[in-house]
Amino acid sequence: DIQMTQSPSSLSASVGDRVTIACRASQSISSYLNWYQQKPGKAPKLLIYTASTLQSGVPSRFSGSGSGTDFTLTLSSLHPEDFATYYCQQSYRTLYTFGQGTKLEIK
Amino acid sequence: EVQLVESGGGLVQPGRSLRLSCAASGFTYDDYGMHWVRQAPGKGLEWVSGISWNSATINYADSVKGRFTISRDNAKNSLYLQMNSLRVEDTALYYCARLVGGTGWFDPWGQGTLVTVSA
Repeated sequence: DIQMTQSPSSLSASVGDRVTIACRASQSISSYLNWYQQKPGKAPKLLIYTASTLQSGVPSRFSGSGSGTDFTLTLSSLHPEDFATYYCQQSYRTLYTFGQGTKLEIK
Repeated sequence: EVQLVESGGGLVQPGRSLRLSCAASGFTYDDYGMHWVRQAPGKGLEWVSGISWNSATINYADSVKGRFTISRDNAKNSLYLQMNSLRVEDTALYYCARLVGGTGWFDPWGQGTLVTVSA
């Protein structure tokens, strides 16, 4: 199985900050990397697919980059509603795997 | 509106069985692969199983292989997960999700149904 490792596991930041979350795959996955946001008590929501394509309706302050084994999710300027847990997910192999999550908290 | 609604969760004893359902609406159901993803209380997301649009391709996570069976009924726009020999560690919120795109991303997700395995 392809292992996905996110860093950091948790992050404290303030409204207006720029934040970057990293995701590393245990082997090359080309650009088959997706990002989700999950708020407490809610289902995950797709943010970005194929590493850098913004899902329709997702604010442009979210961006994704990377290929191969190293990927990043960047929030250019945090809004109050962005405090949530973020997950990466590989779709290179059909035994799909997720990162362990990064919890973004208000400082 | 694309919608997925899970049902069938509940409290069950270890070793027993449970069948989850997911009702889909708002899209052409038999155009898409469908998947189950679970989340144990306070934990991250774990992919469980997936099925192609025509049921020709089915995959399972190692943790459930041989115990869980995924199926779909395209005439009823429904997805199922038959869970046998349940273990305490199967306790989780089970989401169904539509697989989009050739390489695959999950969108949307249902709200989940809770399965609790306890004596």
